[in-house]
Amino acid sequence: NAGVTQTPKFRVLKTGQSMTLLCAQDMNHEYMYWYRQDPGMGLRLIHYSVGEGTTAKGEVPDGYNVSRLKKQNFLLGLESAAPSQTSVYFCASSRPTPYNEQFFGPGTRLTVL
Amino acid sequence: QQQVKQSPQSLIVQKGGISIINCAYENTAFDYFPWYQQFPGKGPALLIAIRPDVSEKKEGRFTISFNKSAKQFSLHIMDSQPGDSATYFCAAAVSLSGGGADGLTFGKGTHLIIQP
Repeated sequence: NAGVTQTPKFRVLKTGQSMTLLCAQDMNHEYMYWYRQDPGMGLRLIHYSVGEGTTAKGEVPDGYNVSRLKKQNFLLGLESAAPSQTSVYFCASSRPTPYNEQFFGPGTRLTVL
Repeated sequence: QQQVKQSPQSLIVQKGGISIINCAYENTAFDYFPWYQQFPGKGPALLIAIRPDVSEKKEGRFTISFNKSAKQFSLHIMDSQPGDSATYFCAAAVSLSGGGADGLTFGKGTHLIIQP
C-alpha cells in the first residue's frame, strides 16, 4: 500500500494564478484532512471531509476550496494564489475509529511569488 | 487563540539523556492527545498517543505523562539517540466518540537535536 500520496511535491506560482493539489489514499479511509505548516506555527487545519461528497471548514479556510468526489481523493484548490499561501501542505486520512489516528502524506511545498 | 501550547521551541540533549517536551491545552473537551514525529522533508508520523483515562503510557523509550487537572501532558524520550533528532508536535482532539471529527489541534513544535 502507498498510504497517502500527494501531487505535486513542489510548485511555484505567481500571485493570482490558480492550482489544485491532489491527495490520494489507498487505505479506504472515510476521513480526509488538509493542513498547512508554516515555520513556528505547527500544522493548522484548512478543510476536512468525513465522507465522499462532504466537506467542512477548519481553522484557516479562507482562500481555499476543496472537493471530495471520490472516497480515495481529496482535492485542495487555490483560485487566486497569494504570497501568504506560501507554505507546506499536508494531507491526512483516518478511519472513523473512536480515537482518530491520522496518517499523513509527504507534503507539497508551494511558493507563491 | 492557541489551544495547545508547546515548549520548548528547541531542545538539545546529549546522547543517552532524557528529552522532555511539554504541552498544555485549554479545551476541556479534548480527549485524545497524540504526539507526532516529523523528519525533514517528511510528513508527521504518529509516535504515541494517550487518552485522559490514564496518567501515563509507555512505548519503548517513549512515555507520555498526562495531568488532567492541570491540563498538561508531556513526552519523555529515555536514552535519547541521534536518530531521535526531529521535530515533535503534540496535538489534541475531541474524539469521534466525543462528537469530534474536525481534525487535530497542534502545538507549534519542538526541534530536538540529540548530540552524539
